[in-house]
Amino acid sequence: EAGVAQSPRYKIIEKRQSVAFWCNPISGHATLYWYQQILGQGPKLLIQFQNNGVVDDSQLPKDRFSAERLKGVDSTLKIQPAKLEDSAVYLCASSFSTNQPQHFGDGTRLSIL
Amino acid sequence: AQSVTQLGSHVSVSEGALVLLRCNYSSSVPPYLFWYVQYPNQGLQLLLKYTSAATLVKGINGFEAEFKKSETSFHLTKPSAHMSDAAEYFCAVKEEGSQGNLIFGKGTKLSVKP
Repeated sequence: EAGVAQSPRYKIIEKRQSVAFWCNPISGHATLYWYQQILGQGPKLLIQFQNNGVVDDSQLPKDRFSAERLKGVDSTLKIQPAKLEDSAVYLCASSFSTNQPQHFGDGTRLSIL
Repeated sequence: AQSVTQLGSHVSVSEGALVLLRCNYSSSVPPYLFWYVQYPNQGLQLLLKYTSAATLVKGINGFEAEFKKSETSFHLTKPSAHMSDAAEYFCAVKEEGSQGNLIFGKGTKLSVKP
C-alpha cells in the first residue's frame, strides 16, 4: 500500500512569511496527526483529526498555526506568520483508527531565516 | 502527566555487539508503549508495541523489548548489531485518556562501528 505522502520535503522561508504543508494519508485511514519535531527532540503532537473533525488541538499555537482536513482525506497545515522557533520537521501520520499504529510520512523540513 | 525518559542521547556499539536502548515511563494506568526508528531524512517507522499482552514483545529487524512494570521500563534490545541499525530510536507512550496521541521521548541516536 502507498504510504503517507507529504510535500514539500524542504522549505526555506524568512520570518514573518507564511508557509503551507500538505499531507495525503494512507487510503482508508480515518485518523490524521500533525507533529512538530524540533532538532534533538521527539515529535510533539500539534493537531489530530478524526475524519474531518478536530479531536485534539491543545498544543497548536492557534495565533499562527492552522490546519484543515475538509473532506476527511488530505490535510494542510499552515503557519502565518512564521517565527524563527518554528524551524523544525513537520511530520504527518495516519492510522486506521485511534487504537491502531500510526504510520508516518517522511516529513517537511522547514528552515526559517 | 505521562512522560517518557530515554537514558543516553547517543549510544555507540560495535557491529555484532548487543544493543540496549533504555526507556522509562511514568503512567498511573497500564500504558501502551511503542518503539519507533527514524533513519536520516525519513519519518518514523514502528518497531514494536506493547499493549498489555505478553511482556516480551518482538518487533521487526530482530529487535525486542521487555515491559517491566516494577521498574517502569521498556528497554529495547537486539542481540547483534548490524551497520544498518544506525538510526535514531524513539520510545513513546500513548497518552492516557487521549484518542491516540503519543508522547515521545527525546530519542537515542545509535551508532554502529565496523
